[in-house]
Amino acid sequence: GDSVTQMEGPVTLSEEAFLTINCTYTATGYPSLFWYVQYPGEGLQLLLKATKADDKGSNKGFEATYRKETTSFHLEKGSVQVSDSAVYFCALTGRGATNKLIFGTGTLLAVQP
Amino acid sequence: DAGVIQSPRHEVTEMGQEVTLRCKPISGHNSLFWYRQTMMRGLELLIYFNNNVPIDDSGMPEDRFSAKMPNASFSTLKIQPSEPRDSAVYFCASSHGTAGSGNTIYFGEGSWLTVV
Repeated sequence: GDSVTQMEGPVTLSEEAFLTINCTYTATGYPSLFWYVQYPGEGLQLLLKATKADDKGSNKGFEATYRKETTSFHLEKGSVQVSDSAVYFCALTGRGATNKLIFGTGTLLAVQP
Repeated sequence: DAGVIQSPRHEVTEMGQEVTLRCKPISGHNSLFWYRQTMMRGLELLIYFNNNVPIDDSGMPEDRFSAKMPNASFSTLKIQPSEPRDSAVYFCASSHGTAGSGNTIYFGEGSWLTVV
């Protein structure tokens, strides 16, 4: 079945460092891909998404490109801030009315001043 | 606009008691999801409704769990009887369209359940 694999955390970075969180997926057809973020004590918020190959999703300085050839959707940010500290979830939905949003295990990012 | 609204935000209950979690989806959304989050298992989809009809309940852990959606603006997740292993954060989420449409799914802030 469909699945998402993302790098395990925690990822600890200093402020202004470059961030990459790897995400790869397994799915039949052409899924839609998402990154969600969860701040401490809160629900999940959509960070960005891409619905077809080669699309780039971007928001708040974060970017991810839908790479069909490598089945990847890596999250990047050029300069992280302390306020970016959160858990980041990669997710996909397959095509079809009954396909559900499948999450990776989440990656904890801790940014130190 | 109001987001997905869940209640209660926090609940502590004793083992064996009935727990009812409530959710009001975003107005106009016709898909509703219940997720459970734990440290051990991460985020798990429990059940998915489309147009108030349960489409996929394969994630409901056992008969102690039940979910209803009597109308487009309200859903409940009930646990009876509750057990300590049910302690988790339960998220309700909603979206426009069907699950596979690529539309954004919006999450509530969660109901933090502790069963002692």
